[in-house]
Amino acid sequence: EVQLQESGPGLVKPSQSLSLTCSVTGYSITSNYWGWIRKFPGNKMEWMGYISYSGSTSYNPSLKSRISITRDTSKNQFFLQLNSVTTEDTATYYCARIATGVMDAWGQGASVTVSS
Amino acid sequence: DIVLTQSPALAVSLGQRATISCKTNQNVDYYGNSYMHWYQQKPGQQPKLLIYLASNLASGIPARFSGRGSGTDFTLTIDPVEADDTATYYCQQSRNLPWTFGGGTKLELK
Repeated sequence: EVQLQESGPGLVKPSQSLSLTCSVTGYSITSNYWGWIRKFPGNKMEWMGYISYSGSTSYNPSLKSRISITRDTSKNQFFLQLNSVTTEDTATYYCARIATGVMDAWGQGASVTVSS
Repeated sequence: DIVLTQSPALAVSLGQRATISCKTNQNVDYYGNSYMHWYQQKPGQQPKLLIYLASNLASGIPARFSGRGSGTDFTLTIDPVEADDTATYYCQQSRNLPWTFGGGTKLELK
């Protein structure tokens, strides 16, 4: 059974970078697609981007050039970096396995607050 | 971007049927499939996939849950509703990038 677990700082200062790790067990990240989704206070959900089994990426244009998703296949982990954060980036961040656009397995989520 | 619209809340009685709707501003059908999916999220938990491609039940999901629709109109039905079904339900489209979600429908018991 696939399991995903997010980890990273819970507090980030404005203008700095947010970095999260998703550790995957029970399934290789060299198969399928792997993505990041966030849920804002007030329940709005936003797909942020994904990295494919081959390492190619796709990002939500709303995040413009602030986002980067990378991976370490030797550790079966993938990573989110979001630059120049503001208070608007305060959210719970989820990593997920994706198959044909369907998010069929999710991590428990990492709450990130952007505040000075 | 494709916009998905859901009613914010729905209240139903135990044992009754709950029907949650999701309307899109663009057709999400493509080559015979409707790229619409449904998730359940309970407080403090991660979202869970319920239905994929409009009407397919995800693994381990009870048959009380069903989905239907095509084009721009979709519904998730829970029949009969149990106490454990109180949660927020989200629709999500994968027809076009960026993939987008509805605003969520909070299901409450009367």
